[in-house]
Amino acid sequence: GQQLNQSPQSMFIQEGEDVSMNCTSSSIFNTWLWYKQDPGEGPVLLIALYKAGELTSNGRLTAQFGITRKDSFLNISASIPSDVGIYFCAGHSTQGGSEKLVFGKGTKLTVNP
Amino acid sequence: KAGVTQTPRYLIKTRGQQVTLSCSPISGHRSVSWYQQTPGQGLQFLFEYFSETQRNKGNFPGRFSGRQFSNSRSEMNVSTLELGDSALYLCASSLRGNNSPLHFGNGTRLTVT
Repeated sequence: GQQLNQSPQSMFIQEGEDVSMNCTSSSIFNTWLWYKQDPGEGPVLLIALYKAGELTSNGRLTAQFGITRKDSFLNISASIPSDVGIYFCAGHSTQGGSEKLVFGKGTKLTVNP
Repeated sequence: KAGVTQTPRYLIKTRGQQVTLSCSPISGHRSVSWYQQTPGQGLQFLFEYFSETQRNKGNFPGRFSGRQFSNSRSEMNVSTLELGDSALYLCASSLRGNNSPLHFGNGTRLTVT
C-alpha cells in the first residue's frame, strides 16, 4: 500500500532556530497536508497544498508540494517554545476510484528556550 | 464556527465489552472520517462516511463499524474489545471528502483493560 516516509522522527532545537522536515513517497499524491498535534488534542491543519510546485506560507511556516508530486517539506522559521508538538504530513490520492489520505508517522519537535 | 466535537473524551472498558463513540462534525461538513492513533502505528484510517453512506474503509476487522446520521453526526462502534484496541480514536470532518482538508476533533482516549 501507499506509505509516507516522514523525517526526521524527532528534533531537538534551540529557540530561534529554523526547522525543516519532509515527507517522501514512491506514490504520487494530489494533495499534501501538514498538521500539528499537541498533547491530548487532535491534529490541527497548518497548510494545504494542491498543485505540484506550490509554495505556501502560514506565518512562520512554509510548505512546498514537490514537483514530482511524491514529496513535500515543511519549514518553520525562528522557532518558539509553542512550536513544540508532533507534525504530521498527509498525502491525498485517488486509487481505483477510491480516495485515500495517508499519514506520515510524525516528527516530534522539542524547542529548548 | 464550532469545531469537530467528540464524546466522550475518555473511556475505560474491559475486554469483551463493546463501545460506541460519537462525533459531531463542523456545521456544513458532510464527510466524516475515523482514525485510530497509537504510538506504534501512527494514524490508521478506519472508515469514511458521506451522506449516511460508507464511502471508504480501511483494513480493520469487522468488529469496527460506524454509521452516519442525516444531520452528518457519526458514531463508531467497536465490539468484543481487545487489549490492542486501546488507542486515541480521532474523528475528522471535511466539506465533501475528496481532496478537502480534514479537520480533526480532540479524540476519544479508549483504554481496554
